[in-house]
Amino acid sequence: QSVLTQPPSVSGAPGQRVTISCTGSSSDIGAGYDVHWYQQLPGTAPKLLIYTDRNRPSGVPDRFSGSKSGTSASLAITGLQAEDEADYYCQSYDSSLSGVVFGGGTKLTVL
Amino acid sequence: QAQLVQSGAEVKRPGASVKVSCKASGYTFTDKGITWVRQAPGQGLEWLGWISAYNGKTKYAQNLQARVIMTTDTSTSTAYMELRSLRSDDTAVYYCATTGWATVTDFDHWGQGTLVTVSS
Repeated sequence: QSVLTQPPSVSGAPGQRVTISCTGSSSDIGAGYDVHWYQQLPGTAPKLLIYTDRNRPSGVPDRFSGSKSGTSASLAITGLQAEDEADYYCQSYDSSLSGVVFGGGTKLTVL
Repeated sequence: QAQLVQSGAEVKRPGASVKVSCKASGYTFTDKGITWVRQAPGQGLEWLGWISAYNGKTKYAQNLQARVIMTTDTSTSTAYMELRSLRSDDTAVYYCATTGWATVTDFDHWGQGTLVTVSS
């Protein structure tokens, strides 16, 4: 059972917008710890997609955006493309565990 | 551009130890920390711990701190993760990634992964 809760799956048609939620608690996201997002294409290592809640590393399209409010964070993907089909993970820090925590991951299917 | 190259796949018996290496290039090794993450077959990501390549400070996941040791060799820009008393549920792909040198932040560059199989 992951500390951060994500929906197991989301889907959308090409061109549409989807959001992936990441729900934590008062000891992680709610305590103000940064949230980071990763994209993992099948058979490959994860790739940093969003860091410190809403920032995109160089090379990540602006179709990807992050936000945070209270004990939750969200990843939004606009203009869905077939190449976006992947698993997405959120990551934060938990003070009660004194360590990094991940969400369980969300599989994005582009219909 | 930072690059991390990990050692090859390993097969171990239950109770044995495994040591995975992660050789860094493309940046000043001591400017960053190295974190380790694993992924069991068909499962999500699990954080194992972090080591600062700057000062050797470590922080381990609570459920693994009795069995894991992370070290670095600054002369070769290589980080190591050793896991002892292996069990079948330690079977996973193990990743190293770069992160902050003073504390764990985001994981901005990742190795290719090392499959560790624990089987009798």
